[in-house]
Amino acid sequence: AQSVTQLDSQVPVFEEAPVELRCNYSSSVSVYLFWYVQYPNQGLQLLLKYLSGSTLVKGINGFEAEFNKSQTSFHLRKPSVHISDTAEYFCAVSVSGSARQLTFGSGTQLTVLP
Amino acid sequence: DTGVSQDPRHKITKRGQNVTFRCDPISEHNRLYWYRQTLGQGPEFLTYFQNEAQLEKSRLLSDRFSAERPKGSFSTLEIQRTEQGDSAMYLCASSLVSREGPEAFFGQGTRLTVV
Repeated sequence: AQSVTQLDSQVPVFEEAPVELRCNYSSSVSVYLFWYVQYPNQGLQLLLKYLSGSTLVKGINGFEAEFNKSQTSFHLRKPSVHISDTAEYFCAVSVSGSARQLTFGSGTQLTVLP
Repeated sequence: DTGVSQDPRHKITKRGQNVTFRCDPISEHNRLYWYRQTLGQGPEFLTYFQNEAQLEKSRLLSDRFSAERPKGSFSTLEIQRTEQGDSAMYLCASSLVSREGPEAFFGQGTRLTVV
């Protein structure tokens, strides 16, 4: 079975500052990795995904993430945040090659302060 | 492509009543998933379909829950004899199995409140 740990439940940051949201996973098999964003009372929107290949993945809205197999991490970063980035961010994994269900972390609330 | 659509967006029901939610996936997607999300938590997998076949069910899906996907198109999730612990956001997602790998597209969810 897979599991995902998001180490920070809340991350406050000032506008235009950089941010990193941490994600670690546990799995005995190869996995795909995802970051989703959720705005209040909305569904989830995919920010980026790692399937294979380059370990640095670029996504929408200026976000990027780096897959580190040895540390089983997939941290999300943005060099300069905006007020509109305030939302809940979820890291998720699924078993490679299966396109089966996602296992989510408990989420990180990013609050961008003016 | 209108995205994944869920209906209703909000549902308030009395304990013991039955409720049914509907999900319309993206039309060419062959996989459909149901997740449940409680306050402050990430979504938890409930079940998924490939076309009309229900291939996997989570242990979270008690006997009071049933899901269907007739003809491999829309899906319904029914909860019988609702309990207060069923209060949650129910999310539907769909995906297309392809060489590019999975990418699940989520609907906006149905928020259930059991009073």
